[in-house]
Amino acid sequence: GNSVTQMEGPVTLSEEAFLTINCTYTATGYPSLFWYVQYPGEGLQLLLKATKADDKGSNKGFEATYRKETTSFHLEKGSVQVSDSAVYFCALSAYNFNKFYFGSGTKLNVKP
Amino acid sequence: DTGVSQDPRHKITKRGQNVTFRCDPISEHNRLYWYRQTLGQGPEFLTYFQNEAQLEKSRLLSDRFSAERPKGSFSTLEIQRTEQGDSAMYLCASSRKGMDEQFFGPGTRLTVL
Repeated sequence: GNSVTQMEGPVTLSEEAFLTINCTYTATGYPSLFWYVQYPGEGLQLLLKATKADDKGSNKGFEATYRKETTSFHLEKGSVQVSDSAVYFCALSAYNFNKFYFGSGTKLNVKP
Repeated sequence: DTGVSQDPRHKITKRGQNVTFRCDPISEHNRLYWYRQTLGQGPEFLTYFQNEAQLEKSRLLSDRFSAERPKGSFSTLEIQRTEQGDSAMYLCASSRKGMDEQFFGPGTRLTVL
């Protein structure tokens, strides 16, 4: 079956620290992988995506590389800001994009 | 360009009552999805429509839940005889066929007392 496992939070960092949020997946076939972000009181927004192995998705300083050999899609940012405080969800879509499978989310708190 | 909208944003109801939520997708999107998100968890798929056809339903969608998309535009999700376990955030998303990204609405938070 399809599932996503991501590291539990909350993750608390100081501004300008390096961020890694781990995400691993199991899937049948060849999924597309996504990171969504949810700011307080708002809906989920697409942060970045990768559609095939070895692709790197990037946006707003965040990056994630689709690693088929380790079934991983870890989210990284070199220098976090207070405004990055949010909940981050790793997700996959398999076969014809008819539904997403989400991880449980990782809350990031960035302190000034 | 308006995004996905959902109404109401919050709903408080008593156990046993029926509730209905509405989702308006992005206008050119022919696919519409419903998800449920409980506290501390990621969204879980409930059902999806391509145009007016409901193509897949999760086993999470008990017979108290029904979703419609009568004209292939907006959709409604009805929960009959609500239970406290139905308390959650109900999310709607839309996309175009072949598009891998889904666009999410702000959600409807349901509280069943």
